[in-house]
Amino acid sequence: GQQVMQIPQYQHVQEGEDFTTYCNSSTTLSNIQWYKQRPGGHPVFLIQLVKSGEVKKQKRLTFQFGEAKKNSSLHITATQTTDVGTYFCAGRSGGYQKVTFGTGTKLQVIP
Amino acid sequence: KAGVTQTPRYLIKTRGQQVTLSCSPISGHRSVSWYQQTPGQGLQFLFEYFSETQRNKGNFPGRFSGRQFSNSRSEMNVSTLELGDSALYLCASSLGATGTSGEKQFFGPGTRLTVL
Repeated sequence: GQQVMQIPQYQHVQEGEDFTTYCNSSTTLSNIQWYKQRPGGHPVFLIQLVKSGEVKKQKRLTFQFGEAKKNSSLHITATQTTDVGTYFCAGRSGGYQKVTFGTGTKLQVIP
Repeated sequence: KAGVTQTPRYLIKTRGQQVTLSCSPISGHRSVSWYQQTPGQGLQFLFEYFSETQRNKGNFPGRFSGRQFSNSRSEMNVSTLELGDSALYLCASSLGATGTSGEKQFFGPGTRLTVL
């Protein structure tokens, strides 16, 4: 079945440093979504990417979808303590568009 | 609009019992999906309902079942509980069915189930 791997599993950064998490799918995706889950909270939708090679920006966050639609990345510039949480990608593929969540990257920002 | 609500928020059961969890989607949303979240396995898809029909099912045993009502509210049931069923069960609603344009999902706060 479809697998979505995310790396790294954990990342500790100093406040102000950049951060990137990568998502790799074993199958071609029709789209990919990114979510953020704060400690003790529930996943919150960040963005959806649909087109091959698509790049979207939200303030300090940059999202990319690979040309082959099998990988994606989330880059945060100049991290802040409010960026703390776990970032998940979620890819959809197949005839019934079953969703598979990535394993998540837990980000810790050291003030 | 009120967000996705899930009841109960916390639940403690013993092995062999069964449990029913409830999810009320955002008003107007017709699609409800259920996920199990554990530290070891992460977020795993259970099933998705749209207009009272199950559209998708994850790789969980038949002890896990669900349904959706005409008002879009959904319930999931786990029978013959096992210790490994202890998890946070999340419900997410979206406006339309997934597979069209990959609808944005709004998650509820979850039900924390502990099986003793």
